[in-house]
Amino acid sequence: ETGVTQTPRHLVMGMTNKKSLKCEQHLGHNAMYWYKQSAKKPLELMFVYNFKEQTENNSVPSRFSPECPNSSHLFLHLHTLQPEDSALYLCASSQDTLANYGYTFGSGTRLTVV
Amino acid sequence: GNSVTQMEGPVTLSEEAFLTINCTYTATGYPSLFWYVQYPGEGLQLLLKATKADDKGSNKGFEATYRKETTSFHLEKGSVQVSDSAVYFCALNSGGYQKVTFGTGTKLQVIP
Repeated sequence: ETGVTQTPRHLVMGMTNKKSLKCEQHLGHNAMYWYKQSAKKPLELMFVYNFKEQTENNSVPSRFSPECPNSSHLFLHLHTLQPEDSALYLCASSQDTLANYGYTFGSGTRLTVV
Repeated sequence: GNSVTQMEGPVTLSEEAFLTINCTYTATGYPSLFWYVQYPGEGLQLLLKATKADDKGSNKGFEATYRKETTSFHLEKGSVQVSDSAVYFCALNSGGYQKVTFGTGTKLQVIP
């Protein structure tokens, strides 16, 4: 499978649950990103990993915890979320953090916090 | 800081109409410019890009020209189809991921 794959596509969780989002890319890219897309708001960069090392945490609350075990896989661990965290979470990758050729995005996980 | 301004939508067109979605930007240096498209229920897909002034990016019948003098990168298509219905995002990169800025998106609806 090529491109960036995200699972699950949809997730409903209670505020006390713990869940994880998964992202996988088979493009040989070295940089991976988590973005949050909320209605009527610009895309928000959350985390950046370059060669498995976190290079950016864009003031994201600690209830979001990223993990990057290797350059092909990225996780976002979720716990004690709030209803305002409901959004589309997009994973993206690029050849490097310069991203001169743009990003390749996954299809996203639609998260609903109840 | 950097910014990208897109025309507000939704833009509603009849099939085979001409499309223009305006995008202007503010950035330091000489950014690369991008258009992404997001179909319903999907993530963003890179549609086209331009890396320097007067470059024209093109893909799937869509075109955009990098106009440094007007700091614009307007998206055009000569004849839209129903399948082009999506949200279109203009973006710039002025020096790596920390300087990537997306517009807020313009929704296009094409009716038969």
